[in-house]
Amino acid sequence: DAKTTQPPSMDCAEGRAANLPCNHSTISGNEYVYWYRQIHSQGPQYIIHGLKNNETNEMASLIITEDRKSSTLILPHATLRDTAVYYCIVRVVTSGANSKLTFGKGITLSVRP
Amino acid sequence: DTAVSQTPKYLVTQMGNDKSIKCEQNLGHDTMYWYKQDSKKFLKIMFSYNNKELIINETVPNRFSPKSPDKAHLNLHINSLELGDSAVYFCASSQRGAADTQYFGPGTRLTVL
Repeated sequence: DAKTTQPPSMDCAEGRAANLPCNHSTISGNEYVYWYRQIHSQGPQYIIHGLKNNETNEMASLIITEDRKSSTLILPHATLRDTAVYYCIVRVVTSGANSKLTFGKGITLSVRP
Repeated sequence: DTAVSQTPKYLVTQMGNDKSIKCEQNLGHDTMYWYKQDSKKFLKIMFSYNNKELIINETVPNRFSPKSPDKAHLNLHINSLELGDSAVYFCASSQRGAADTQYFGPGTRLTVL
């Protein structure tokens, strides 16, 4: 799986959009971009994933650049409960034979009141 | 209902003891995993099982033995516990397919004294 690079931390004000960047310059054509987050003392939680098109769900939006070398996770209206470590993961989605998630250090998002 | 549950939530034990952590998922998934999160917060895959068959074994010491009695359960048995085994252990499950999204349990904090 390709490697990802994320800043160690960022903060944003409650109610504002949080834009979390991720670089994955060595991504290959069959690798998806996944985002998970881990709120303190809880298990990781799936947020969203995409291949090349932008994606949106009830939690967030995922913007992937045209060359697919980077992406941005957008939380449109951050709340205090969004304070967490966010992991950007690039992986091939196979039939499941080797479908592990390789977690990096992630980015710590702090939402301030 | 909790999708992925683990018991116990906390486990404190002496070096040399044998202990087990249980995991159950009620999502109907066919693949289950164990991850370890150490004191530096790195999350790493340990094992994965698909339909009760071992798929991934990430060079984990053979003191760790996963056991899958059925698709909904993946238990982790640890023999001769060592200080370095202290960590948070997360169980996860997924269904093989296009998304292969993994759902995590709440974690079991193991402390070896």
